[in-house]
Amino acid sequence: DSGVTQTPKHLITATGQRVTLRCSPRSGDLSVYWYQQSLDQGLQFLIQYYNGEERAKGNILERFSAQQFPDLHSELNLSSLELGDSALYFCASSVPWGGANVLTFGAGSRLTVL
Amino acid sequence: AQKITQTQPGMFVQEKEAVTLDCTYDTSDPSYGLFWYKQPSSGEMIFLIYQGSYDQQNATEGRYSLNFQKARKSANLVISASQLGDSAMYFCAMREGPAGNMLTFGGGTRLMVKP
Repeated sequence: DSGVTQTPKHLITATGQRVTLRCSPRSGDLSVYWYQQSLDQGLQFLIQYYNGEERAKGNILERFSAQQFPDLHSELNLSSLELGDSALYFCASSVPWGGANVLTFGAGSRLTVL
Repeated sequence: AQKITQTQPGMFVQEKEAVTLDCTYDTSDPSYGLFWYKQPSSGEMIFLIYQGSYDQQNATEGRYSLNFQKARKSANLVISASQLGDSAMYFCAMREGPAGNMLTFGGGTRLMVKP
């Protein structure tokens, strides 16, 4: 168990709609990372938050936004959904490993846009 | 240019044999980290092993070892004594710079273990 909790596990919606994915990082971890895994783009980094502040931004579309709340949980908001947004969305936390920090992933939220 | 390249889309290995999954990377940053993750059919991403660019020795973790050849910019994963449960997608990833975990992933290798 990674200690990272994501909800919902599965979500089916229609084009043009908006959804919110939720993540609770490992207990005490101030960082949250969001990644997207799609068939055409593979796995790619979207955005990172640290203690409520945006820390780094990757290939995140303008239709997508994220935030991290005071209790450290994070939400990824996806709006004006398109078929190509269908993907597995992962949230991750950093964990210590042999003197380094490595990412541990949640189980993912699988989004299907019809 | 691709930052992480995994040239083997799919591989078969016989149960109990060793297998090497290839990964080459491209970076001009002297400080970087290399990761391997396993993704079973259930979809979760499982961390396997990590190698820092300044680490002198190859990383090992149980049946997993990382064959790090810095001059060749390769970071191959070696799985010893393959088990049926090793059948999965395997992803190599890189972090550029000394901190943070904004990883760039390769396209993955699907490993199938034959009984």
